[in-house]
Amino acid sequence: DIQMTQSPSTLSASVGDRVTITCRASQSINTWLAWYQQRPGKAPNLLIYDASSLESGVPSRFSGSGSGTEFTLTISRLQPDDFATYYCQQYNSYSGCTFGQGTKLEIK
Amino acid sequence: EVQLVQSGAEVKKPGESLKISCKASGYSFTSYWFGWVRQMPGKGLEWMGIIYPGDSDTRYSPSFQGQVTISADKSISTAYLQWSSLKPSDTAIYYCARHIGRSGNYYCDYWGQGTLVTVSS
Repeated sequence: DIQMTQSPSTLSASVGDRVTITCRASQSINTWLAWYQQRPGKAPNLLIYDASSLESGVPSRFSGSGSGTEFTLTISRLQPDDFATYYCQQYNSYSGCTFGQGTKLEIK
Repeated sequence: EVQLVQSGAEVKKPGESLKISCKASGYSFTSYWFGWVRQMPGKGLEWMGIIYPGDSDTRYSPSFQGQVTISADKSISTAYLQWSSLKPSDTAIYYCARHIGRSGNYYCDYWGQGTLVTVSS
């Protein structure tokens, strides 16, 4: 199985800050990586797919980059709605997708 | 508009069977892979498996193979997740999700609202 490791597990930041979350894969997954946002009590919401493609309707302050084994999600100019938990997911073949353990973004 | 509507919360006893559902609308149900994701209390997301309703081709995560059954009824655009004998460790929220992508590489673009399953004696 491909393992996904996110860092940090928790991130404290303020409205207006720029933050970056990292996701590392245990083997190369090309750009088969998605990022999701999950607010408490809600279903996950797709932000980024194919490592850097912004899902329709997602604000442009969200961006993704990377390929191979290292990926980042960047949120520029944090808004109050952005404080949530973020997950990366590899989907390098339908024999098994795996999620990272999540990064909780908290208000400082 | 794509919508995935899941069945309601369930409270079951260990050893009981259960089948939860997810009804899709707003798109061609038989043209996309459809899957399930588990979230145990206070924990992260775990991908369980997917089914292609067009031909019922089903793939499971090794962690869930043999533990659950994924199925679909294309006549009513509904997918199912089934247990034959529940355990307390099955207590979780289960999300259904439409999968989209290409060449065997699929991510989740639409999600259901989640079904809470509680297993307790």
